[in-house]
Amino acid sequence: TQLLEQSPQFLSIQEGENLTVYCNSSSVFSSLQWYRQEPGEGPVLLVTVVTGGEVKKLKRLTFQFGDARKDSSLHITAAQPGDTGLYLCAQAHGSGNTGKLIFGQGTTLQVKP
Amino acid sequence: DAMVIQNPRYQVTQFGKPVTLSCSQTLNHNVMYWYQQKSSQAPKLLFHYYDKDFNNEADTPDNFQSRRPNTSFCFLDIRSPGLGDTAMYLCATSRDPGRQAFFGQGTRLTVV
Repeated sequence: TQLLEQSPQFLSIQEGENLTVYCNSSSVFSSLQWYRQEPGEGPVLLVTVVTGGEVKKLKRLTFQFGDARKDSSLHITAAQPGDTGLYLCAQAHGSGNTGKLIFGQGTTLQVKP
Repeated sequence: DAMVIQNPRYQVTQFGKPVTLSCSQTLNHNVMYWYQQKSSQAPKLLFHYYDKDFNNEADTPDNFQSRRPNTSFCFLDIRSPGLGDTAMYLCATSRDPGRQAFFGQGTRLTVV
């Protein structure tokens, strides 16, 4: 069962452009994690959002958590080639010791110089 | 220093020949995950451990098995690899279920 939907799935832009990636669910998130994965490497955590309406900034990246905690967005300002990678949102699923981390479909971003 | 180490980084195996991938961690985390990731797709959870308790995903093929002999090590065994098992296999750890995951660099498996 796909719990998280990300859009767009693919994005190819020129250096200097802005972009937004979305992560949505039909259920309420307790919290949401955003990861970036570079080719040939494992994903690395960028940020965790917990509170509805929360906004977090990481240099040129702005993360927003929807008021109802059912959606989140990642906005990149003035994209650079180094931003190229797979962007993943992830959600904790289940409870107790059987809880696990499930990923959305991912957004592949290519930033051309 | 790497905290989650996967070996080997690259593995080529023949169709039907058993293969084992390994993962070790220095974080002393309770949770260890195995994900399968095919080209340009998101990681798909195969199974995970909380300590020694094993949790299998319903759609993980029986061909895939796992062992966690102690806190630090976890293994993924593919008993009879098929061509469709060609993928990146990612190991990750987490202090608690659903919390931030720390990933290894992955093992890129090619079945020929």
